[in-house]
Amino acid sequence: AQKITQTQPGMFVQEKEAVTLDCTYDTSDPSYGLFWYKQPSSGEMIFLIYQGSYDQQNATEGRYSLNFQKARKSANLVISASQLGDSAMYFCAMREMDSGAGSYQLTFGKGTKLSVIP
Amino acid sequence: DSGVTQTPKHLITATGQRVTLRCSPRSGDLSVYWYQQSLDQGLQFLIQYYNGEERAKGNILERFSAQQFPDLHSELNLSSLELGDSALYFCASSVEQDRANYGYTFGSGTRLTVV
Repeated sequence: AQKITQTQPGMFVQEKEAVTLDCTYDTSDPSYGLFWYKQPSSGEMIFLIYQGSYDQQNATEGRYSLNFQKARKSANLVISASQLGDSAMYFCAMREMDSGAGSYQLTFGKGTKLSVIP
Repeated sequence: DSGVTQTPKHLITATGQRVTLRCSPRSGDLSVYWYQQSLDQGLQFLIQYYNGEERAKGNILERFSAQQFPDLHSELNLSSLELGDSALYFCASSVEQDRANYGYTFGSGTRLTVV
């Protein structure tokens, strides 16, 4: 079973509009972390936002916010006031304990390609 | 600049050859992780080192190996290269391994093309 599922291979959004990128996860570990990374066409992986499994409030970082619904196991990324520079691949990732390795590991979804239209 | 340095940025080599990718983690980070990103497989975890010791293995082929040196830099060795090994190889580092809320800092990657 996929640990991280991103169901939107591609999304389009008008400049200055808000957009939500979906992410669902699967874990039985009570302690885990959820992350979003941005990968522009240049290739680097840029950390955007983090949400801990015990955090009561949704995380926010500037124009980025994470809509965390623990019971639904979803961690959607909301980008407000989209800019042309937001066009990129976006990856949702989860860090949880790998019992076999005895350490925390970060697993990524397949990503969503966001295109911002002028 | 993320603080994680990967060299080289691009590498083109022939099938059957061997290459070494290098990574210097962010200052203070003890854990180094290697990931492979290909079009069909997405981001796949290969291997983790913590303070010089191998800590976890993911989907790493037997033709691939890695090590972390006393100065904490790490090298990923890929041998008997095949066309399917063409990918973007990322190194990431983190300060600690045993907490869920520590994310990773990624390098800019090495793009390997096998011809």
